[in-house]
Amino acid sequence: GESVGLHLPTLSVQEGDNSIINCAYSNSASDYFIWYKQESGKGPQFIIDIRSNMDKRQGQRVTVLLNKTVKHLSLQIAATQPGDSAVYFCAEIHTGFQKLVFGTGTRLLVSP
Amino acid sequence: DTAVSQTPKYLVTQMGNDKSIKCEQNLGHDTMYWYKQDSKKFLKIMFSYNNKELIINETVPNRFSPKSPDKAHLNLHINSLELGDSAVYFCASSQVGSGTDTQYFGPGTRLTVL
Repeated sequence: GESVGLHLPTLSVQEGDNSIINCAYSNSASDYFIWYKQESGKGPQFIIDIRSNMDKRQGQRVTVLLNKTVKHLSLQIAATQPGDSAVYFCAEIHTGFQKLVFGTGTRLLVSP
Repeated sequence: DTAVSQTPKYLVTQMGNDKSIKCEQNLGHDTMYWYKQDSKKFLKIMFSYNNKELIINETVPNRFSPKSPDKAHLNLHINSLELGDSAVYFCASSQVGSGTDTQYFGPGTRLTVL
């Protein structure tokens, strides 16, 4: 399934499905992007990052895609598990300013 | 061996009171931050300190005063608390210029102003 993180939408998937969470960032000068996962009652937790000189980066079960032309970022989670249920935030930063700007977040619900 | 810790985790207080939230990081980072997360989960930076010096102040009311006694600590003091200050406050840290600018977050402090 897919979702655009604008007003904390919810993406509901079945366990084992692949999930795609989308994010539109605002500053064309941003050169570093991070995806965070926030579980209920906890702080944001780093998942994966990508620099603006790349368009794809893979981690364990996660892939981040960056399209600078349209200022779009996506997080793909393979074989989604119930433990992946959380709110996911994209964040952008212009490393010259050290100011991390968060997107509005997408809630991912994974049902068994 | 918590990387970024905050105290207290919950804080309930009356309007008009003054309160403090403490933050400590043991990652050896030189930059620390305070963020506010509202009821809609929107996260916004408030302050950042690099080696005890204020770098970012995002037009936060001057009732909020961060204090950094050393680079491992960044405390947030709030005077004359208002209802609108109710939120979850997160501390974070990073090492600027290390090749990665990832910020690591604490567990948050939920502030409720009655």
